[in-house]
Amino acid sequence: GAGVSQSPSNKVTEKGKDVELRCDPISGHTALYWYRQRLGQGLEFLIYFQGNSAPDKSGLPSDRFSAERTGESVSTLTIQRTQQEDSAVYLCASSPPGLVTYNEQFFGPGTRLTVL
Amino acid sequence: KQEVTQIPAALSVPEGENLVLNCSFTDSAIYNLQWFRQDPGKGLTSLLLIQSSQREQTSGRLNASLDKSSGRSTLYIAASQPGDSATYLCAVRTNDYKLSFGAGTTVTVRA
Repeated sequence: GAGVSQSPSNKVTEKGKDVELRCDPISGHTALYWYRQRLGQGLEFLIYFQGNSAPDKSGLPSDRFSAERTGESVSTLTIQRTQQEDSAVYLCASSPPGLVTYNEQFFGPGTRLTVL
Repeated sequence: KQEVTQIPAALSVPEGENLVLNCSFTDSAIYNLQWFRQDPGKGLTSLLLIQSSQREQTSGRLNASLDKSSGRSTLYIAASQPGDSATYLCAVRTNDYKLSFGAGTTVTVRA
């Protein structure tokens, strides 16, 4: 079956512009996660959705970052007034219904964001 | 705060040799541990998931062990092949929803 998909695969933008990154989770998966991987660093957690609610936004680095999820499906991560330090690969993951702390996370291919 | 460390950072072996990748974590109160593979420019592929009550998981040539009390996991890859060349990431799930990742071990298998 189809896995997690993300678009665009690559995004180059100028400093100060807003960007939107999209994630389509595996059909039927209720939990959705966003992570960021900066060059040479490990993955950092950004936000977690259960259905359309985000009980944990603790990883969002600043108020320039926001995310939403609709229809318990697609999610959009928005970065306003982008800065060069926002350059990274943004990865989305989803997991099936059930006790979320025990469930495997399935990752998408990521969006590589470059801020010039 | 959970800290996850992977040693070594990089590893180069001839084809056919067995691989041993190490992961350590500071907080033993974990729900599970997951090993991933990441190819250049690609996302993460889940390899094995070990629940905290389990001691090991096996899939084909891969075997992962978990010693929760000592905060360690080891991924063994038997009879390595050039196609095993990738970065391997270890991640632990603690008392919340997020995974805490190590920085990874980059493996090169020489033909």
